Amino acid sequence: GDSVTQMEGPVTLSEEAFLTINCTYTATGYPSLFWYVQYPGEGLQLLLKATKADDKGSNKGFEATYRKETTSFHLEKGSVQVSDSAVYFCALSRTSYDKVIFGPGTSLSVIP
Amino acid sequence: DTAVSQTPKYLVTQMGNDKSIKCEQNLGHDTMYWYKQDSKKFLKIMFSYNNKELIINETVPNRFSPKSPDKAHLNLHINSLELGDSAVYFCASSPQGNTIYFGEGSWLTVV
Repeated sequence: GDSVTQMEGPVTLSEEAFLTINCTYTATGYPSLFWYVQYPGEGLQLLLKATKADDKGSNKGFEATYRKETTSFHLEKGSVQVSDSAVYFCALSRTSYDKVIFGPGTSLSVIP
Repeated sequence: DTAVSQTPKYLVTQMGNDKSIKCEQNLGHDTMYWYKQDSKKFLKIMFSYNNKELIINETVPNRFSPKSPDKAHLNLHINSLELGDSAVYFCASSPQGNTIYFGEGSWLTVV
């Protein structure tokens, strides 16, 4: 069945460091891919998404490119801030009414 | 205005009790969901409704029963609560196009 794999956390970075969180997926067809972020004590918020191969999603300085050949959707940010500390979830969905499948989440802590 | 709201936010109850969590969305979306997040942050879908019709029912004990009186509401009723039901339950909704909008979560603790 469909699945999403993310790099294990927790990840701890110093402020202004470069961030990469790896995400790979297994799915038939051409799923849509998402990154969601969960701040402490809150629900998940959509961070960015891409709906077809080679699309790049971007938001708040974060980027991820849909790579069909490597079935990957890695999240990157050039310079992280303390306020980026959160849990990041990679996710996929195949159709409009299909369930969204989430990866296990990667916890990020950014220290001053 | 909160887009997806769920109540209560915190719920502590004893084993064997029956409890409900209510959810409402004011986004006009057709599809609503319940997700369960365990202590390791792992998210698992439980149910999905589209225009009040059940479309996804994952392997969930039948002690869990969703009810959708209209497309803006999806409530979750849990009978005979067990310790393993302790988790955060998220309601969510989406229009066509997959993007999901989550509520703030309901923290359920069974003692």
